Amino acid sequence: EVKLVESGGGLVLPGASLKLSCIVSGFTFSDYWMRWVRQAPGKGLEFIGEIKPDGSKTNYAPSMKGRFTISRDNAKNTLYLQMSSVRSEDTATYYCARQDWGYWGQGVMVTVSS
Amino acid sequence: DIQMTQAPSSLPASLGDRVTITCRASQDIGNYLRWFQQKPGKSPRLMIYGATNLAAGVPSRFSGSRSGSDYSLTISSLESEDMADYYCLQSKESPFTFGSGTKLEIK
Repeated sequence: EVKLVESGGGLVLPGASLKLSCIVSGFTFSDYWMRWVRQAPGKGLEFIGEIKPDGSKTNYAPSMKGRFTISRDNAKNTLYLQMSSVRSEDTATYYCARQDWGYWGQGVMVTVSS
Repeated sequence: DIQMTQAPSSLPASLGDRVTITCRASQDIGNYLRWFQQKPGKSPRLMIYGATNLAAGVPSRFSGSRSGSDYSLTISSLESEDMADYYCLQSKESPFTFGSGTKLEIK
């Protein structure tokens, strides 16, 4: 069974950093591009970025470049999203998704507030 | 970047109705169009890929079509379990972009 499980969310102060994780199982992680998507409360889905199977290439939405960094550890079957200098506008549920968009994690909530 | 214009934003409908949601791409995306269903508190569920192909386990009352740069998701006979938000996604090129969403609700 394919599973994606995000973790690392919570309440964070403006300007702080946070690293989200997505642990996968049930498929060969190192064969797939992986994506991050977020959804602010009551809003639509927003693509953050993606990473190539071997981790050698990443692509980001223009609005995410510079503050968000996607990485992966294929030995640990884990995808990461490093968030820095977070702002209130980064408050959202963050999802990881597999290359084919057919499998998503359950989402992890990040709240940026003082 | 490719923009996806989705309409309507809200769609009141009755059980048994035939409903259609549309997305228009700002440039050619071929058939690289997916549709997702999202229920409150849940992750998005892939419904349609390649513009017209039903994802595994999706009821046959759902269908996808394309006319030029316009892409449509149609539910032939609305059931109560179909009440949800729906999003299109262009997967032609990164950065991938979603439509703004359609809230399907009971009239």
